[in-house]
Amino acid sequence: GEDVEQSLFLSVREGDSSVINCTYTDSSSTYLYWYKQEPGAGLQLLTYIFSNMDMKQDQRLTVLLNKKDKHLSLRIADTQTGDSAIYFCAESMATALIFGKGTTLSVSS
Amino acid sequence: DGGITQSPKYLFRKEGQNVTLSCEQNLNHDAMYWYRQDPGQGLRLIYYSQIVNDFQKGDIAEGYSVSREKKESFPLTVTSAQKNPTAFYLCASSMGTGGYGYTFGSGTRLTVV
Repeated sequence: GEDVEQSLFLSVREGDSSVINCTYTDSSSTYLYWYKQEPGAGLQLLTYIFSNMDMKQDQRLTVLLNKKDKHLSLRIADTQTGDSAIYFCAESMATALIFGKGTTLSVSS
Repeated sequence: DGGITQSPKYLFRKEGQNVTLSCEQNLNHDAMYWYRQDPGQGLRLIYYSQIVNDFQKGDIAEGYSVSREKKESFPLTVTSAQKNPTAFYLCASSMGTGGYGYTFGSGTRLTVV
């Protein structure tokens, strides 16, 4: 079936690195996305990776893609309290994006 | 500034009533989407529209209806047939389907009273 899987919770200390993992189902997905949602708000596009790339870095964010295992990860370096949010992984299908259930990141000071 | 606007932010519905959630975008995007978000469930697709005057059911369309008479607007009606409508509703738009990232609205929280 079309399921994007993510772990539900991650707790880190301020200044540490956070790694959020995701597995997706469709090897033909062209793009894979990471979105961030703060409480009571919509989703904000953080970054994306094209399927023929292995890695993409954007300031504190690093995305790694393992196409063989259909595994995607988001690393946030030097995690701050403002990074506390829900992070969604999404894969592109022919008609719409399919989202995971989201990983709640909690950052303690 | 271009963006996507959902209104109202909070909506209360009595049992048996239909309510309509507004979604407007000025991004000149062709495609628009409605998702429902419940705690621990992630986002589930209700309806999507790839072009004006055309829309398709998503995974959980029962009890909902939409229209797409203008490119900018994609209202969602939650009908009395939707048995559990209390949720957070998100509208999104994109340049097209199949790989374009979405721009999301800020959401409407619907509560049945």
